Amino acid sequence: SQTIHQWPATLVQPVGSPLSLECTVEGTSNPNLYWYRQAAGRGLQLLFYSVGIGQISSEVPQNLSASRPQDRQFILSSKKLLLSDSGFYLCAWSPLKGYTEAFFGQGTRLTVV
Amino acid sequence: QKEVEQDPGPLSVPEGAIVSLNCTYSNSAFQYFMWYRQYSRKGPELLMYTYSSGNKEDGRFTAQVDKSSKYISLFIRDSQPSDSATYLCAMSGGSNYKLTFGKGTLLTVNP
Repeated sequence: SQTIHQWPATLVQPVGSPLSLECTVEGTSNPNLYWYRQAAGRGLQLLFYSVGIGQISSEVPQNLSASRPQDRQFILSSKKLLLSDSGFYLCAWSPLKGYTEAFFGQGTRLTVV
Repeated sequence: QKEVEQDPGPLSVPEGAIVSLNCTYSNSAFQYFMWYRQYSRKGPELLMYTYSSGNKEDGRFTAQVDKSSKYISLFIRDSQPSDSATYLCAMSGGSNYKLTFGKGTLLTVNP
């Protein structure tokens, strides 16, 4: 069966520090991969999605970047965190290159102080 | 007009009640419709996935899609306290693979 791992679960980082969140998927190949941010009252905001290794699409201009160094690995990064980067970050995958459902990891709650 | 509209609630019902959750959408390209359940501080969990107009049933849950009205619903029968969560609708279709989500409805089922 397919599983998605996302870590860490919680993170407290000072302003200006770097960020690296990692997500891996097991039990499938060539998934679509996504990074979302969820803020209270604002729903799920799509940050990045990837349809293959090295292929990243950015949805909103921001202080973050994403990379996909391997087929089932998706990384969310920042060189210098801002207070406004605080939030609940979710990684997700969908099994086919088409319009199918997405499956989410358990999320990382990031607090920038 | 937002692509997906969902009443944020909160919605509070007694145990055993029938719950109705709804979303409307404006993009006629949407063809795939999903409902997710999200417990506090957890990732969303897929509950239902439908493609066509009509009803789909899974245990106590029924998803309903009316493409002509651009309206989808999730019904929960015999609601339980364990159903207390935020319910998110999501949909996709058109020129890319992205899901568009509603903002979620917070449901509390009181014992």
